[in-house]
Amino acid sequence: AQSVAQPEDQVNVAEGNPLTVKCTYSVSGNPYLFWYVQYPNRGLQFLLKYITGDNLVKGSYGFEAEFNKSQTSFHLKKPSALVSDSALYFCAVRVLNTGGFKTIFGAGTRLFVKA
Amino acid sequence: EADIYQTPRYLVIGTGKKITLECSQTMGHDKMYWYQQDPGMELHLIHYSYGVNSTEKGDLSSESTVSRIRTEHFPLTLESARPSHTSQYLCASSDGTYNEQFFGPGTRLTVL
Repeated sequence: AQSVAQPEDQVNVAEGNPLTVKCTYSVSGNPYLFWYVQYPNRGLQFLLKYITGDNLVKGSYGFEAEFNKSQTSFHLKKPSALVSDSALYFCAVRVLNTGGFKTIFGAGTRLFVKA
Repeated sequence: EADIYQTPRYLVIGTGKKITLECSQTMGHDKMYWYQQDPGMELHLIHYSYGVNSTEKGDLSSESTVSRIRTEHFPLTLESARPSHTSQYLCASSDGTYNEQFFGPGTRLTVL
């Protein structure tokens, strides 16, 4: 079955330290991968995506993600965390299914950045 | 300004009432989606549409219905609300095959 996993429910990091939010996927064919962020009482906001090309993708708010085909991973990273980065982060993969493309979201990882 | 709108933002209603959650987008996107999300939890796709007069049920069974008469408008209706329908409902839109989804701010529904 095609799926995406976020193995950590929560990630804690101190402000100024680097952060990583993990995502792994299982799809047949080429994966089209996305990261979204959700702040309290808001909808999701798109951060970045990998479709093809360079494995390191840069996105909004200083975030980046590295596509690793051999490890089937697409971890989200930021060199220096801010308190304002505290939010819920969702990894997603767009896959070709019977009936067309569909997007599968991970369960989400809550990021806490302490001052 | 291109955007996606949802109204109302918050709704508290009694059991048995009929409700319609509105979603409109001004980006001309052909694809639109409805997700159900308990606060801080994962998203569940309940309906989607790939164009006018096209609607499909999503992965999570829902008693709600949707319609897509105009490209920009994708309302969700509950004929008889129940406490189990209490949740947050997120609307989204996208175009193309590889493009990201744009999400509205959500409607927080509470059924008493």
